[in-house]
Amino acid sequence: EPEVTQTPSHQVTQMGQEVILRCVPISNHLYFYWYRQILGQKVEFLVSFYNNEISEKSEIFDDQFSVERPDGSNFTLKIRSTKLEDSAMYFCATPKTSGSIEQFFGPGTRLTVL
Amino acid sequence: AQSVTQLDSQVPVFEEAPVELRCNYSSSVSVYLFWYVQYPNQGLQLLLKYLSGSTLVKGINGFEAEFNKSQTSFHLRKPSVHISDTAEYFCAVSGNRGGADGLTFGKGTHLIIQP
Repeated sequence: EPEVTQTPSHQVTQMGQEVILRCVPISNHLYFYWYRQILGQKVEFLVSFYNNEISEKSEIFDDQFSVERPDGSNFTLKIRSTKLEDSAMYFCATPKTSGSIEQFFGPGTRLTVL
Repeated sequence: AQSVTQLDSQVPVFEEAPVELRCNYSSSVSVYLFWYVQYPNQGLQLLLKYLSGSTLVKGINGFEAEFNKSQTSFHLRKPSVHISDTAEYFCAVSGNRGGADGLTFGKGTHLIIQP
């Protein structure tokens, strides 16, 4: 079973601080996605990233958020100035195989903003 | 834009009984449909998907779902549940633009298996 890894598994930060969440997706795929799940709520789409550019983003993905692919393997989600309401699980996902539709999710990073 | 409605936030079922988790969607375009399962403190695992073809799709762990275009539904079923099926189940849709579309999820249904 292919893997998507995410680091850290848990991040605790103070309000106003910047955080960077990292994802190492299945290799050789052009599409990447980030999702958020606030505790007890549904999973929400944040952004899709294709060939080093944002393909689609939701209303949640405001100017505080950014995504990058700093090298050939890592894929990052940055929150510039965290707010209490950013506390959530953040999942990255990639297509299961090149060209497939279904998305394979990583284990998530739990972000706690104090 | 798409939306997904999971009418039941919680479904208690006795072990070895059948279960159906309901999902309805709305969309102005053709969609792809998915069911994901989330075990406690874990990520999302794909149970099954409908992309095209046969409206009855089978997935892992004995689950199946039927796509009904006229009723815009994609209900998940299992003929006999096990304690290990206790989890949160999410129905999701995406548009038909290949990988460009993110998934839109329902609020989830917590399946509780009672011994």
